[in-house]
Amino acid sequence: DVVMTQTPVSLPVSLGGQASISCRSSQSLVHSNGNTYLHWYLQKPGQSPQLLIYRVSNRFSGVPDRFSGSGSGTDFTLKISRVEPEDLGDYYCLQSSHFPFTFGSGTKLEIK
Amino acid sequence: EVQLVESGGGLVQPGRSLKLSCAASGFTFSDYNMAWVRQAPKKGLEWVATIIYDGSRTYYRDSVKGRFTISRDNAKSTLYLQMDSLRSEDTATYYCATHVTEGMFAYWGQGTLVTVSS
Repeated sequence: DVVMTQTPVSLPVSLGGQASISCRSSQSLVHSNGNTYLHWYLQKPGQSPQLLIYRVSNRFSGVPDRFSGSGSGTDFTLKISRVEPEDLGDYYCLQSSHFPFTFGSGTKLEIK
Repeated sequence: EVQLVESGGGLVQPGRSLKLSCAASGFTFSDYNMAWVRQAPKKGLEWVATIIYDGSRTYYRDSVKGRFTISRDNAKSTLYLQMDSLRSEDTATYYCATHVTEGMFAYWGQGTLVTVSS
């Protein structure tokens, strides 16, 4: 299975500040069709996960441009600028390039 | 508006069975692949199974293969997960989600809790 290593585990941030979350995969996420299936989710307390970024850098419908994704191969980053209170929660990366699909272990974004 | 509503969770003894349902609305259900994703209490997310839009193919994680069956009824816009030979490690909130062609789980339901315990 592809292991997704997310860091940090916990990320204290100041409101209005910037946050950066790393996700590294144990093997390349470039699919045989040339696409890279790496996605990012936010799970707010008591809620279902919600999609933020798909295929590395594409913002999902309704996601503010404060959220951006980048990376390639095995190394990916989610950046959140101007952090707002509604951004707090658990962030997960997901790879769907290889079966079984696997998630990172999560990063908790909290107020400093 | 896309809506996914899971039901069927509850407390079940080890070795017994349970069937989850997910009622979909707000989109053309028969056009979309669908998936089940679970989350053990206070733990991370784990993909369980995916079914192709017409039900022709299914995919499972190894730990549930042979015990769980994903299926769908496109006429009823409903997704199912039949869970047999349940184990304590299957205890989790089970979410259904649309599994779109871009590869991600785009929309999620609110989840249903399955507790396997004697």
